Amino acid sequence: SQKIEQNSEALNIQEGKTATLTCNYTNYSPAYLQWYRQDPGRGPVFLLLIRENEKEKRKERLKVTFDTTLKQSLFHITASQPADSATYLCALSLSGGYNKLIFGAGTRLAVHP
Amino acid sequence: DAEITQSPRHKITETGRQVTLACHQTWNHNNMFWYRQDLGHGLRLIHYSYGVQDTNKGEVSDGYSVSRSNTEDLPLTLESAASSQTSVYFCASSGLTSGGTNEQFFGPGTRLTVL
Repeated sequence: SQKIEQNSEALNIQEGKTATLTCNYTNYSPAYLQWYRQDPGRGPVFLLLIRENEKEKRKERLKVTFDTTLKQSLFHITASQPADSATYLCALSLSGGYNKLIFGAGTRLAVHP
Repeated sequence: DAEITQSPRHKITETGRQVTLACHQTWNHNNMFWYRQDLGHGLRLIHYSYGVQDTNKGEVSDGYSVSRSNTEDLPLTLESAASSQTSVYFCASSGLTSGGTNEQFFGPGTRLTVL
């Protein structure tokens, strides 16, 4: 069956450390993968997108990797801050253009001072 | 600034009643989506539309309907509300970017309680 799995447990880290979140998928061949941030009581907000032919994408303190052989994406936040505390969702797009997204359940990140 | 809004933000209704949740976007996006979010399930797609007069079923469409009469609005109707439809509902929109991608813009959500 098709599945997208993210760390179900909350991730607790110390301020200043690097947070690494995992997104694994099975029986999908995504054209690209997206990461979103969701704060309590709010809608998700788009952060980064990485295509199937890209290994790594960076934006400020954020880095995403995409390994289509392992069927895995890693999302890193370097020099983490308490303001980075939120739930992070990964989403697959099965083809480019207009196609809909398939979301994972999300990982809750808590950054402690 | 362009935005996507949802109303109401909170709604309490009774089992068996018809309920309509509104979604309005000013991005001029062709694509609009409705999701529900429940603990442990993440975002699940209910219905989506790729343009005016176009609607499609998502993975959890039973008991829900949508119609798209203009670009800006995609109302979600619960025909006969059930307690299992208690959830937080998110509307989203997307348009094809110059890079050929389709990141979605989400509304603030509607918390629906069915008693």
